Amino acid sequence: AQTVTQSQPEMSVQEAETVTLSCTYDTSENNYYLFWYKQPPSRQMILVIRQEAYKQQNATENRFSVNFQKAAKSFSLKISDSQLGDTAMYFCAFMKHYGSEKLVFGKGTKLTVNP
Amino acid sequence: DTGVSQDPRHKITKRGQNVTFRCDPISEHNRLYWYRQTLGQGPEFLTYFQNEAQLEKSRLLSDRFSAERPKGSFSTLEIQRTEQGDSAMYLCASSNFPGTGDSNGYTFGSGTRLTVV
Repeated sequence: AQTVTQSQPEMSVQEAETVTLSCTYDTSENNYYLFWYKQPPSRQMILVIRQEAYKQQNATENRFSVNFQKAAKSFSLKISDSQLGDTAMYFCAFMKHYGSEKLVFGKGTKLTVNP
Repeated sequence: DTGVSQDPRHKITKRGQNVTFRCDPISEHNRLYWYRQTLGQGPEFLTYFQNEAQLEKSRLLSDRFSAERPKGSFSTLEIQRTEQGDSAMYLCASSNFPGTGDSNGYTFGSGTRLTVV
């Protein structure tokens, strides 16, 4: 079974600064996807960024980028130029490359961006 | 398309009562997923449908839980004889399988928050 671990329950950052959220996972699969989801308070979960395990290049989406280390089973999220609207719960998630496409989530990191 | 809709947004019920939640997915999506999220935890997979067929159920889905997607469109999740431990956010998501490869195609609803008193 796959597991996802987020070791930082809470983090805070000043507006305009950079913050990195950590995620490690455990799997015996070789092909899979990794995701970061954002869940603002009382709002729906939205996809921030995704990484395919067979791609060596780290994914980037505007101010969001990942550091994917397959051998170490590590998948961190870097948020640059943090904005107040980035305040949310962030979840790291794993998906097998085949089958049900169900997501396995970590417990989340609560990020607060301070003005 | 207005995205994935869930109804109700909040539900307070007494222990032992039955409750039913509804999820309306994105119309062209053939897969529909139910997840449960308790306080301080990430969402946990409960079950999923491809069209009207329920293809997988988690061990978390006890005999008191039942889900249906009768015409391959909306889905309902029913909890019978609710217990305090059922208090959680119930999330629905839909996707189009197989996906385009450019995104995971998952769209989540805003969830139904259940409180059992």
